Amino acid sequence: GAVVSQHPSWVICKSGTSVKIECRSLDFQATTMFWYRQFPKQSLMLMATSNEGSKATYEQGVEKDKFLINHASLTLSTLTVTSAHPEDSSFYICSARDNIWPSGIHYEQYFGPGTRLTVT
Amino acid sequence: KNQVEQSPQSLIILEGKNCTLQCNYTVSPFSNLRWYKQDTGRGPVSLTIMTFSENTKSNGRYTATLDADTKQSSLHITASQLSDSASYICVVSADGYNKLIFGAGTRLAVHP
Repeated sequence: GAVVSQHPSWVICKSGTSVKIECRSLDFQATTMFWYRQFPKQSLMLMATSNEGSKATYEQGVEKDKFLINHASLTLSTLTVTSAHPEDSSFYICSARDNIWPSGIHYEQYFGPGTRLTVT
Repeated sequence: KNQVEQSPQSLIILEGKNCTLQCNYTVSPFSNLRWYKQDTGRGPVSLTIMTFSENTKSNGRYTATLDADTKQSSLHITASQLSDSASYICVVSADGYNKLIFGAGTRLAVHP
């Protein structure tokens, strides 16, 4: 099956620094990737949609200058949390959408294992 | 407003027992409904995907049902195992393309 990886799996950084998280589709090409944030005991919240070769589309309330997204290739999207603060501590999950339209019904989204960010 | 509601919020069962998780949605238009399993500290893994024309779909010990008329779905787990302990998330796609609407999940704990 399709595999999506994230790196790092966990990271601790100091307040004010920037952190980059990578999301890779390992065995398929993904024109579109998604970034989610998940707080403890809550469900996933979509932050932004990342399209290869173009600017990301951010959900309402998500600061695009704080959460920089780059989708430079069909297998890699990066999320950079700039000037991180403790309130940015969360579980960040990416997903990659398969480019194939299997049966004319839907695209599949495959989720990465997540990155735990702790800002001290 | 597009919403996905799940019940119960949490559930504890004994190993070997069956259980059923519920999902109600108010999403329009409707493209498909998905059930995901999310282990603690991991990303969601797809269990089933159903379109409006599908009433039931199985994946091993997991069986999902869908009633598109009443906008309800259920996930039945048979002969539960300790490894079934996880959050189960109901997700509805409004356009079959990008927009996924997530439920809050049901946290299942299977005890020996």
